[in-house]
Amino acid sequence: QQQVKQSPQSLIVQKGGISIINCAYENTAFDYFPWYQQFPGKGPALLIAIRPDVSEKKEGRFTISFNKSAKQFSLHIMDSQPGDSATYFCAASIRSRGSQGNLIFGKGTKLSVKP
Amino acid sequence: NAGVTQTPKFQVLKTGQSMTLQCAQDMNHNSMYWYRQDPGMGLRLIYYSASEGTTDKGEVPNGYNVSRLNKREFSLRLESAAPSQTSVYFCASRGGLGETQYFGPGTRLLVL
Repeated sequence: QQQVKQSPQSLIVQKGGISIINCAYENTAFDYFPWYQQFPGKGPALLIAIRPDVSEKKEGRFTISFNKSAKQFSLHIMDSQPGDSATYFCAASIRSRGSQGNLIFGKGTKLSVKP
Repeated sequence: NAGVTQTPKFQVLKTGQSMTLQCAQDMNHNSMYWYRQDPGMGLRLIYYSASEGTTDKGEVPNGYNVSRLNKREFSLRLESAAPSQTSVYFCASRGGLGETQYFGPGTRLLVL
């Protein structure tokens, strides 16, 4: 119930292509869905996040698509660049009053963008 | 503004040795977290502290203890290290009304 399932485990995309990473969850109480980006040797950093009251959020080349009925959300990276090569983690938490708001992370996707 | 800092950056221990991983944040955040990251396993929560003076177990607390020394500092202690504790450890913090967790650079621990 608390799991967030992420796929694929690894992804290779050509420069200029679209990278798509998918996540699924079971707990309908989750109400905050962030994506974190981690470069080798560094800590994860927030990339973009969405709440379930919207179906899509876009920030530059990064877009989250959210499907509440399917309990799925995905990260789309348009015009992928070699500098986007990193590990991406989806996560979910409950932000309502009384909850600790702890993040449940997916297992990560290692993205490689080939020049 | 350093954000979240962790020491040491890298450590090698022998089985049975003890050590403390240090974490400090300068963002006046209430909540602090310790995670471990293993290949293919994502980030798993070890312990967290919702506020100064409180600590709670996360998903994988066995073999670890924590201390929230003050609002800035949250340490993780391995009393008797085991090879299964070889991992990369991340500390994170979050502000009272904020949703973003800010991560430190990590401590790479090798237990032989």
